[in-house]
Amino acid sequence: EAAVTQSPRNKVTVTGGNVTLSCRQTNSHNYMYWYRQDTGHGLRLIHYSYGAGNLQIGDVPDGYKATRTTQEDFFLLLELASPSQTSLYFCASSDRDWGAASQNTLYFGAGTRLSVL
Amino acid sequence: GEQVEQRPPHLSVREGDSAVITCTYTDPNSYYFFWYKQEPGASLQLLMKVFSSTEINEGQGFTVLLNKKDKRLSLNLTAAHPGDSAAYFCAVKNNAGAKLTFGGGTRLTVRP
Repeated sequence: EAAVTQSPRNKVTVTGGNVTLSCRQTNSHNYMYWYRQDTGHGLRLIHYSYGAGNLQIGDVPDGYKATRTTQEDFFLLLELASPSQTSLYFCASSDRDWGAASQNTLYFGAGTRLSVL
Repeated sequence: GEQVEQRPPHLSVREGDSAVITCTYTDPNSYYFFWYKQEPGASLQLLMKVFSSTEINEGQGFTVLLNKKDKRLSLNLTAAHPGDSAAYFCAVKNNAGAKLTFGGGTRLTVRP
């Protein structure tokens, strides 16, 4: 079973605070993703990565940085947190192969609930 | 970029009734289609997936229908039971890259 571990599970910070969300996958997957989940918006892609050192911009990147330090580790950084970034954050990983015969899908972590006061 | 609209946002049915959730997408190059289930307080789990060459996929009491002409994807539940109560999300991907675009989600409640 694919494993994606997020930490912390819950985080409270103040406006202007500095927050780092961590994600580790032990699936040997190439791709890792950061999504935020908000009511009415579903999941929106913040950043994603093809591998260590690679970073791709998602659909809602403003106010977020990300860094992929190793194959396993992907971090999401909020350097000046704002109340609009209060959300549930999911990390996910996937393999390279998306072909029709592939069993590939996104494997999600348990989520991090962030509150910015 | 791809836009995915999912309807309805909330759906309440009685046990044994059918339920239908629909997603429409904009990118004609969309090729891979997924349905995820999220139980309260939990993460997302893959429910079903269908590829562009497949119009129907069935399993776990659900049927997925893909209409490429209308760019519409639907999840049909023929006989709901309380264990199906959850949030459901469609996701769409084209034939390049690795980015999935999600719909806004449907919160399904099945009443005994």
